Amino acid sequence: GAGVSQSPSNKVTEKGKDVELRCDPISGHTALYWYRQSLGQGLEFLIYFQGNSAPDKSGLPSDRFSAERTGGSVSTLTIQRTQQEDSAVYLCASSPPGSGLEQFFGPGTRLTVL
Amino acid sequence: DAKTTQPNSMESNEEEPVHLPCNHSTISGTDYIHWYRQLPSQGPEYVIHGLTSNVNNRMASLAIAEDRKSSTLILHRATLRDAAVYYCILGLSGSARQLTFGSGTQLTVLP
Repeated sequence: GAGVSQSPSNKVTEKGKDVELRCDPISGHTALYWYRQSLGQGLEFLIYFQGNSAPDKSGLPSDRFSAERTGGSVSTLTIQRTQQEDSAVYLCASSPPGSGLEQFFGPGTRLTVL
Repeated sequence: DAKTTQPNSMESNEEEPVHLPCNHSTISGTDYIHWYRQLPSQGPEYVIHGLTSNVNNRMASLAIAEDRKSSTLILHRATLRDAAVYYCILGLSGSARQLTFGSGTQLTVLP
C-alpha cells in the first residue's frame, strides 16, 4: 500500500519567507510525528498528533514553527520568517493505533534557507 | 529513558551474515527493543522490535539476551543495499512517543 508521502521534496527559500510543508500519513494511522534532521545529525522531535487529542508541541524550537492536522489525516508544518538555521530535512512519520515506536517515515522535505 | 550502547561502525562482506550488537543494561521490564535503520539520504526505516523472545521478520532477526541487557540484530545475508546506520532504541511499544536516536552503528557492506 501507499506509504507516507511528503511534499515538496525540496524547498529553497529566502531568509524571512514563510514555508509550508505537507505530510500525507498512511491511511488509518492515528499518530503523526514531525521531526527534523540536520546534516549528519540525529532526529530532532518537533510535534506529535494523536487522533483528536491536543498535539504535543514540546519539540517546536520557536513560535515561528506551527503545525496542524486536518481531519485526522493530512498535516501541514509551517515555518514563518525562515532563518538559515532552519535548513534541514523535515521528516514526517505515522504509526497505527497501539503501535508507539513502530513509525513509518516519509522521504522528507529538504529545506534550504538562503 | 534507558540508554543504549552500540559500536560506531562495523563492516561485513556481501552475502555474509551480520550481527549488530546493542547493550541496554538499564532496560526496564516494560521496555521493548526497537531497531531502525537509515540509508543515505533517506528517512529512517523501521526494522524490527521485540520484548523477550527472539523475533524474525522478512528483513531481519532480533536475538534478545535472557537477561534483556543486550540484543543483537541479525541480517542473514548482507547486501550492498543494507549499508546504513542502524539504531537500537528502547520504549513502550503501545505508547506513542517520539523517537530519539543515539549515534547508531554505521554498517559498511563490502562487495
